Amino acid sequence: AQSVTQLGSHVSVSEGALVLLRCNYSSSVPPYLFWYVQYPNQGLQLLLKYTTGATLVKGINGFEAEFKKSETSFHLTKPSAHMSDAAEYFCAVRGRISGGYNKLIFGAGTRLAVHP
Amino acid sequence: SQTIHQWPATLVQPVGSPLSLECTVEGTSNPNLYWYRQAAGRGLQLLFYSVGIGQISSEVPQNLSASRPQDRQFILSSKKLLLSDSGFYLCAWSDSTPNTEAFFGQGTRLTVV
Repeated sequence: AQSVTQLGSHVSVSEGALVLLRCNYSSSVPPYLFWYVQYPNQGLQLLLKYTTGATLVKGINGFEAEFKKSETSFHLTKPSAHMSDAAEYFCAVRGRISGGYNKLIFGAGTRLAVHP
Repeated sequence: SQTIHQWPATLVQPVGSPLSLECTVEGTSNPNLYWYRQAAGRGLQLLFYSVGIGQISSEVPQNLSASRPQDRQFILSSKKLLLSDSGFYLCAWSDSTPNTEAFFGQGTRLTVV
């Protein structure tokens, strides 16, 4: 079975500082990994995804993530935080399971605060 | 392009009343459909998913049910709401291939009083 662990339910950074949000996954099949962002009272928006190929994935709003199979990690980073990055971030894994369907399994989320 | 509509955006219902939340998808056919619930500080919990008309799988035992009367329509229901049903409900769709992402509606904030 697949699972996702996000380390740190709250992360606070200064504007202009590096953002690092941690995600570790567990999957018995090759994983497909996703990062989503959620602004208050809104749905989730895809930031980036890893399927196959290049392990460093670039997404929207200057975010990127690196798939490290040996560490079963998919951490999200941004070199310089902006006030508008304040939101909740979810890591998710999707893998084929019996029955032929695919479920998207989410971590518990990390709330990012950016202060001046 | 594909779009997903979910309504209502907010809902306040008394305990014991019925519930019906609706979600429709446009611009695609035979999508996988999902209902998630988000409780404060607890991430997203998958409630139901559907791979086709009339095919509903439940992830957790609960007071809610789901139906898929048409290919691109997914309904979340309850006959009698409980206080614990309060939360933020999200509908989503995806292709059946594993390397594609899910697309989410804007959510429904349900408060049971």
